[in-house]
Amino acid sequence: EPEVTQTPSHQVTQMGQEVILRCVPISNHLYFYWYRQILGQKVEFLVSFYNNEISEKSEIFDDQFSVERPDGSNFTLKIRSTKLEDSAMYFCASIGGLAPSETQYFGPGTRLLVL
Amino acid sequence: RKEVEQDPGPFNVPEGATVAFNCTYSNSASQSFFWYRQDCRKEPKLLMSVYSSGNEDGRFTAQLNRASQYISLLIRDSKLSDSATYLCVVNGIGNQFYFGTGTSLTVIP
Repeated sequence: EPEVTQTPSHQVTQMGQEVILRCVPISNHLYFYWYRQILGQKVEFLVSFYNNEISEKSEIFDDQFSVERPDGSNFTLKIRSTKLEDSAMYFCASIGGLAPSETQYFGPGTRLLVL
Repeated sequence: RKEVEQDPGPFNVPEGATVAFNCTYSNSASQSFFWYRQDCRKEPKLLMSVYSSGNEDGRFTAQLNRASQYISLLIRDSKLSDSATYLCVVNGIGNQFYFGTGTSLTVIP
């Protein structure tokens, strides 16, 4: 069964450093997402990406965040200058389309710890 | 008002019990509704989509009430392996998806 993959599984970084989280969505999917989940809290939408541009973004997705699909397979989330409160699990997801029957498939997540 | 609201629980039920979870959503234009399950420190995994006519998958039954903007999940004959957090997910504006806080279920032997 096709799956979404994410690397790294864990990342520890110092406050103020840049991090890049990587995702490989399912190959024939069209919409890509990043979510974050702070420990003990709900899954929060960050951004969606379609046709090589941002489609929707939440208020969490400020200027410190950016996304890119550099090579047609990878989908990356960059945090330019990490803060302590960026510590969370970051999930990538992809979906084939937006019909009500379509569902999102999630990657296993990257656990980011900012010290 | 939150886009999706769920009772966080926890629900602690004995094996074999029937348990029901509820969820309400705020955007009347939402078209897609799902129940996901999330195990501790793992990614959400689709349990089932929720259709207007209601749908059943084995021991799991999902219902949608558009008039009340309410979604439910019923689990019959609970198994130990059903212990997890159950997430209600609804699409919102554009292609955003909103998650509830999740309802924690522990099935006790």
